[in-house]
Amino acid sequence: AQSVAQPEDQVNVAEGNPLTVKCTYSVSGNPYLFWYVQYPNRGLQFLLKYITGDNLVKGSYGFEAEFNKSQTSFHLKKPSALVSDSALYFCAVRGGTSTSGTYKYIFGTGTRLKVLA
Amino acid sequence: NAGVMQNPRHLVRRRGQEARLRCSPMKGHSHVYWYRQLPEEGLKFMVYLQKENIIDESGMPKERFSAEFPKEGPSILRIQQVVRGDSAAYFCASSRHPWAGEDNEQFFGPGTRLTVL
Repeated sequence: AQSVAQPEDQVNVAEGNPLTVKCTYSVSGNPYLFWYVQYPNRGLQFLLKYITGDNLVKGSYGFEAEFNKSQTSFHLKKPSALVSDSALYFCAVRGGTSTSGTYKYIFGTGTRLKVLA
Repeated sequence: NAGVMQNPRHLVRRRGQEARLRCSPMKGHSHVYWYRQLPEEGLKFMVYLQKENIIDESGMPKERFSAEFPKEGPSILRIQQVVRGDSAAYFCASSRHPWAGEDNEQFFGPGTRLTVL
């Protein structure tokens, strides 16, 4: 069964420091991996995705994520955090095979990022 | 190209009333997905529709919930006789293609926040 785990409910980081939000996944076939951000009372905004190719994916607002197949991880990173990055971050996986249910996005439970000034 | 539109953005209903949530997919997209986000949780898949067809409703409660995507007009998620536990954010997503593929990506709307009093 496909699943996504975000082991940290909350991550606190000082402004200007690097940040990492963790995500591990379990999926049959090639994974399609996504990161979304949700600001209070807003919808999901797409940050970046990994489909194939380079393991380091660059996305919006200076975020990047590294796909690690051996560790089945897709951690979100940013070299220098901003207070405005404070939000709820969701990792999602979609199965990349043609079996039934490949269109379903499986979301993690979210990690609240708090960047302290 | 306008994104996925959802209305209303906020909906308040009393227990026992009906809630109707609307979703207009992106132009050129004929596949619609509904997700529910309970407070402090990730998004959970509810139903996948193509025009005039329900493809997968495995995530939808068996009673009181229904969805449609008519040939003309928006997709509707209908909740009859709402209860307090239905209070959540309901997100719609759309895609151009149904199957996994590099260009098949779900784009999310801003969500409808349903509050049941």
